[in-house]
Amino acid sequence: AQSVSQHNHHVILSEAASLELGCNYSYGGTVNLFWYVQYPGQHLQLLLKYFSGDPLVKGIKGFEAEFIKSKFSFNLRKPSVQWSDTAEYFCAVTSAGKSTFGDGTTLTVKP
Amino acid sequence: GAGVSQSPRYKVAKRGQDVALRCDPISGHVSLFWYQQALGQGPEFLTYFQNEAQLDKSGLPSDRFFAERPEGSVSTLKIQRTQQEDSAVYLCASSLWTSGGAETQYFGPGTRLLVL
Repeated sequence: AQSVSQHNHHVILSEAASLELGCNYSYGGTVNLFWYVQYPGQHLQLLLKYFSGDPLVKGIKGFEAEFIKSKFSFNLRKPSVQWSDTAEYFCAVTSAGKSTFGDGTTLTVKP
Repeated sequence: GAGVSQSPRYKVAKRGQDVALRCDPISGHVSLFWYQQALGQGPEFLTYFQNEAQLDKSGLPSDRFFAERPEGSVSTLKIQRTQQEDSAVYLCASSLWTSGGAETQYFGPGTRLLVL
């Protein structure tokens, strides 16, 4: 069975600080990896995804993530956060149509 | 175009009552997914369809939960004899296709179910 672990439940940063959110998964087969974001009052939406090729993937709004197969990790990064990045972030792994999500990290960016 | 819509947005049910939650996927999307999200947790997979075929229902927590998509578009998640532990947000998502899981899923706003 696949599982996803997000280490940080709540992160508080000041604007312009750098962000890294951890995500580790456990699954031995081929996986597709996703980061989703849920802004206050909005739907879950895709931030970025990895399914093959370059392990460093870039998403919307300046976010990027690096797939490190040997570490079963897919950490999310942003060099300089903005107040508008305040949201909940979910890491997910999908295989054979079935998606498993982490419990999410709430990011609060102080202006 | 229109996104995934779900109705009702909120539902309060008395314990033991049956409920039906509806999902309208994005037009033309072949795959449809249901998730249950408890407070403070991530979405948990319930079931998914490819057109009208239910390909995986391994996440349905009990035989009180039943999902259908008879014409390959709109889907209904039915919960019979609701229990308090069924209180959660039920999310629906659709994707153009499911080719091993690389397709992006588009999520609806969810239905918040509260069982008293």
